[in-house]
Amino acid sequence: NAGVTQTPKFRILKIGQSMTLQCAQDMNHNYMYWYRQDPGMGLKLIYYSVGAGITDKGEVPNGYNVSRSTTEDFPLRLELAAPSQTSVYFCASATGGIGEAFFGQGTRLTVV
Amino acid sequence: GNSVTQMEGPVTLSEEAFLTINCTYTATGYPSLFWYVQYPGEGLQLLLKATKADDKGSNKGFEATYRKETTSFHLEKGSVQVSDSAVYFCALSDSDYKLSFGAGTTVTVRA
Repeated sequence: NAGVTQTPKFRILKIGQSMTLQCAQDMNHNYMYWYRQDPGMGLKLIYYSVGAGITDKGEVPNGYNVSRSTTEDFPLRLELAAPSQTSVYFCASATGGIGEAFFGQGTRLTVV
Repeated sequence: GNSVTQMEGPVTLSEEAFLTINCTYTATGYPSLFWYVQYPGEGLQLLLKATKADDKGSNKGFEATYRKETTSFHLEKGSVQVSDSAVYFCALSDSDYKLSFGAGTTVTVRA
């Protein structure tokens, strides 16, 4: 089983550039999440989705956008990248709201 | 809102030592509680969970008991190994379908 797959694994962006972080899961999970991990800060929820066509903001949504057109895919879009968006980004999925979440291996993004 | 507070690290131990990582939470409802582990260069993976008060979660020699009266979910292991070196995250999930994480505790076990 592939589980949760994130691409790319690493990326360097210049200030003002845009990019999309891809996330796909093959477990038919309804719930999907995007987190960012900053040193010593734990994980902060950016956006989440409870099913195809439904998305909602988390704690730190500014500067990001998401879409959920299929159950499998949950891409995260960064518009006008800023140095404050330098972080490690994790995508996760879960069968239900109160259950085990499965995480991808992360995307390390540096904005210079 | 929901929040999780973990003891600050880093924690450095010798092999076979006893490990405790404290975790307390604030939640408006009746959350489920989790411990996740992150090995170097990897994503998080579930270590154990408890879904109601007085439940004990256990896995790989780790244990944690859901204490509603003290709003705590402390992680313990009686005898750690070098392979237990990782970052440990306490988390909770409530009826809002979101996981809230603590800041993480880095544990290093020396041979």
